[in-house]
Amino acid sequence: AQSVTQLDSQVPVFEEAPVELRCNYSSSVSVYLFWYVQYPNQGLQLLLKYLSGSTLVKGINGFEAEFNKSQTSFHLRKPSVHISDTAEYFCAVSKGGTSYGKLTFGQGTILTVHP
Amino acid sequence: GAVVSQHPSRVICKSGTSVKIECRSLDFQATTMFWYRQFPKQSLMLMATSNEGSKATYEQGVEKDKFLINHASLTLSTLTVTSAHPEDSSFYICSAPPPRDRGGNEQFFGPGTRLTVL
Repeated sequence: AQSVTQLDSQVPVFEEAPVELRCNYSSSVSVYLFWYVQYPNQGLQLLLKYLSGSTLVKGINGFEAEFNKSQTSFHLRKPSVHISDTAEYFCAVSKGGTSYGKLTFGQGTILTVHP
Repeated sequence: GAVVSQHPSRVICKSGTSVKIECRSLDFQATTMFWYRQFPKQSLMLMATSNEGSKATYEQGVEKDKFLINHASLTLSTLTVTSAHPEDSSFYICSAPPPRDRGGNEQFFGPGTRLTVL
């Protein structure tokens, strides 16, 4: 079985400051890694994903994440945040094969950007 | 990207009634769809896998007789919450993987359905 831990439940930050949202996972097999964003009362939007290849993944809205296999981490970063980035962010993993598409989510991190 | 819709977006019902939630893939066919539940201030938990043409697969702890899933066509899956009770109040979200030539191991999520049982 796999699990995902998001180390911070809430992250407050000022506008234009950098931010890092932390995610660690555990799995006995190789996994695919994702970051999703959820705005209030809405579904999830994919920010970025790691499937294979380069460990630095760039996504939408200026976000990027780095896959670190030795530390089993997939932290999300943005060099300069905007008010509009205020939302909840979920890290998720899935296995391939017959488990294709079944996601295990972390607990979520609420990012609040202050002016 | 691919589009997944859900209907209704919000429903309020009395305890003991049944509620049907629809999930549609609008511009692609999905032989598999997934249903998640999200309680307030919690993460999403996978409830079941909806399979077109066969029975749904439920996660451990999810009552299949209470949460009826029907994957009627390649673009439609329905979740029926039977005899709903206040503890079933939650945000229900469906997802569908696009065809493999349109994405790799990602899901497209519907906008969610907020169920409130009085």
